[in-house]
Amino acid sequence: AQSVTQLGSHVSVSEGALVLLRCNYSSSVPPYLFWYVQYPNQGLQLLLKYTTGATLVKGINGFEAEFKKSETSFHLTKPSAHMSDAAEYFCAVSDLTGFQKLVFGTGTRLLVSP
Amino acid sequence: DGGITQSPKYLFRKEGQNVTLSCEQNLNHDAMYWYRQDPGQGLRLIYYSQIVNDFQKGDIAEGYSVSREKKESFPLTVTSAQKNPTAFYLCASSSSGVTNEKLFFGSGTQLSVL
Repeated sequence: AQSVTQLGSHVSVSEGALVLLRCNYSSSVPPYLFWYVQYPNQGLQLLLKYTTGATLVKGINGFEAEFKKSETSFHLTKPSAHMSDAAEYFCAVSDLTGFQKLVFGTGTRLLVSP
Repeated sequence: DGGITQSPKYLFRKEGQNVTLSCEQNLNHDAMYWYRQDPGQGLRLIYYSQIVNDFQKGDIAEGYSVSREKKESFPLTVTSAQKNPTAFYLCASSSSGVTNEKLFFGSGTQLSVL
C-alpha cells in the first residue's frame, strides 16, 4: 500500500528565506503525488500535482516540487517565503486502485516570521 | 460560485446521540468523499462515493454512515458507536474519481463531544 512520510511537523523560516518541506513516499508502482495547503479552519487547496511527464512541477503561489524516483521524494520548495505562506501543508499519494483514494501525510506546519 | 458547502461549521454531540453533517456541492461532480482530520495525524478517509446510490467504506468507517441519494449531496452521520468523534470533518469532491484528479474541499465541520 502507498504511504507518505513528511519530515518535521513544524518548519520555521524568516520572510524572504527559502522554504523546503520534505515528503518521501512508498509505492510499488509509479505514483501520482500531490501537495495541498490548508489555512486555519479551512479546507485544503491543491498546490500542485505530479502525474507523468516533467519531474519538476510548478504550482500556485510560487511553489514547486521535484519528483525524484531514485530518492522516492517529492519535496516542496519556494525560493522566498511570504507571511501569507504560513499554513499547514500536506503531501499525498494516490492509492492506485483505479479510484482516487488519496493517502495523506501527517502534515507540516509552516511558520513565517518577519 | 461553484463549490462545496459544509454545515454546520461547529457541532456538539451529547452522549449516545447521532449527529449528521451536511455536504452539498454544485460542481456537478460524480465523486464525493468524507475525511476525518485529527491533530498530528493528517487526513483519514471515512467513506467515498463514485456515483449516486453507491458508496464504499474508507479506512476508518466504523461508527459512521453515509447516503448518496442525490448527486450533489453526501451527508455523514456520526453514530453513538463512534466512541471518539471529536475531530475536524472535511468533505471533498472530484469530477469522476480517477486517480490523478484534483480534490475540491469544503471548509469543514468541527465536531466536539459535550
